[in-house]
Amino acid sequence: GAGVSQSPSNKVTEKGKDVELRCDPISGHTALYWYRQSLGQGLEFLIYFQGNSAPDKSGLPSDRFSAERTGGSVSTLTIQRTQQEDSAVYLCASSLAGRAGEQFFGPGTRLTVL
Amino acid sequence: GDSVTQMEGPVTLSEEACLTINCTYTATGYPSLFWYVQYPGEGLQLLLKATKADDKGSNKGFEATYRKETTSFHLEKGSVQVSDSAVYFCASEGGGADGLTFGKGTHLIIQP
Repeated sequence: GAGVSQSPSNKVTEKGKDVELRCDPISGHTALYWYRQSLGQGLEFLIYFQGNSAPDKSGLPSDRFSAERTGGSVSTLTIQRTQQEDSAVYLCASSLAGRAGEQFFGPGTRLTVL
Repeated sequence: GDSVTQMEGPVTLSEEACLTINCTYTATGYPSLFWYVQYPGEGLQLLLKATKADDKGSNKGFEATYRKETTSFHLEKGSVQVSDSAVYFCASEGGGADGLTFGKGTHLIIQP
């Protein structure tokens, strides 16, 4: 596609429910990144994929968070048993291999946990 | 770990004023440095970058110079426009599997 797309754009859920966020990177970009943008907290790095593998998952905030990428393309970020503190904008970005600084960002998914 | 600190906002200026947004970094090595911009209603996009000491990145009239001695990468523009109103993020990238390290962002408001 022309750019990074994310869905849904907005998600409102009840505390305790699971949510799944989707990211479709730019075609040909082998690197994919997830960030969380919270009010007053800036952008927090969550996880990075090179191809289908994520070398380091230590940036995920808790074990309720997981991410996968299949086929070297689409990625999903899953949050289980959501909590109110999970409310944030979740951003996805992609880049060419070896160009980690030049990331192209999607519009984000705004998650609200009631 | 690496960290980036930038001045808190919002910063409010009149059109044609001179702009400086301060950014300093801490890193174990020699990171690449970036400024990203988020215009209202749009996604983050790369504004400029510098990959080594004394490099100057520039784009759209904005400049930033990689200063190793002061570990800084301040964003400057000589004459701002209303269309420059946005949130500006300073970021570093150390080459590891940890993505970009961002500052908290500076909201810039330019008044006509």
